Amino acid sequence: GAGVSQTPSNKVTEKGKYVELRCDPISGHTALYWYRQSLGQGPEFLIYFQGTGAADDSGLPNDRFFAVRPEGSVSTLKIQRTERGDSAVYLCASSLHENTEAFFGQGTRLTVV
Amino acid sequence: GDSVTQMEGPVTLSEEAFLTINCTYTATGYPSLFWYVQYPGEGLQLLLKATKADDKGSNKGFEATYRKETTSFHLEKGSVQVSDSAVYFCALSHLTGGGNKLTFGTGTQLKVEL
Repeated sequence: GAGVSQTPSNKVTEKGKYVELRCDPISGHTALYWYRQSLGQGPEFLIYFQGTGAADDSGLPNDRFFAVRPEGSVSTLKIQRTERGDSAVYLCASSLHENTEAFFGQGTRLTVV
Repeated sequence: GDSVTQMEGPVTLSEEAFLTINCTYTATGYPSLFWYVQYPGEGLQLLLKATKADDKGSNKGFEATYRKETTSFHLEKGSVQVSDSAVYFCALSHLTGGGNKLTFGTGTQLKVEL
């Protein structure tokens, strides 16, 4: 596609439920990043993939958060046992290679009620 | 660890006014510095960047100079337009091995009025 696509654009879920957020990067981009943006804050790094492998997952807040990129293209961010504090906009970005410009999607707004 | 501090908003200006948004950083080594912009309803977009001290990044009339001695990367524009209304984020990255992992400031909302 022309840009980074994230689905759904909005997700409302109940506390304790499991959610999956999807990111379709720009075709051919080998690097993919997930960020989380809480209200009034800047994006915070969660995890970075180079190809299929997670090169850096130091930003994942706890073991309820997990992300995969099985074929080196689409990525899914998975959150188990959601908490109200998980409410935020989850941003995905991709770049042709690491150390080149990152292009961001419009984000998925997650609301945990 | 790395951190970026930028001036709080919202900043409200009249069209054709001069804009400055302050940004300072704390980081080890020699990071690259970025300004990203988020227009209403759109994703973050790279506005400009500088990769070493004294470099000036520029785009769309905006510019910022990498000042290592003051650890700053202030964003400026000589004459703002209504279409510049957006949220601006200052960010840094260590472009070595760790990928393009970015550390962002909290963002500054700019409103430009006629």
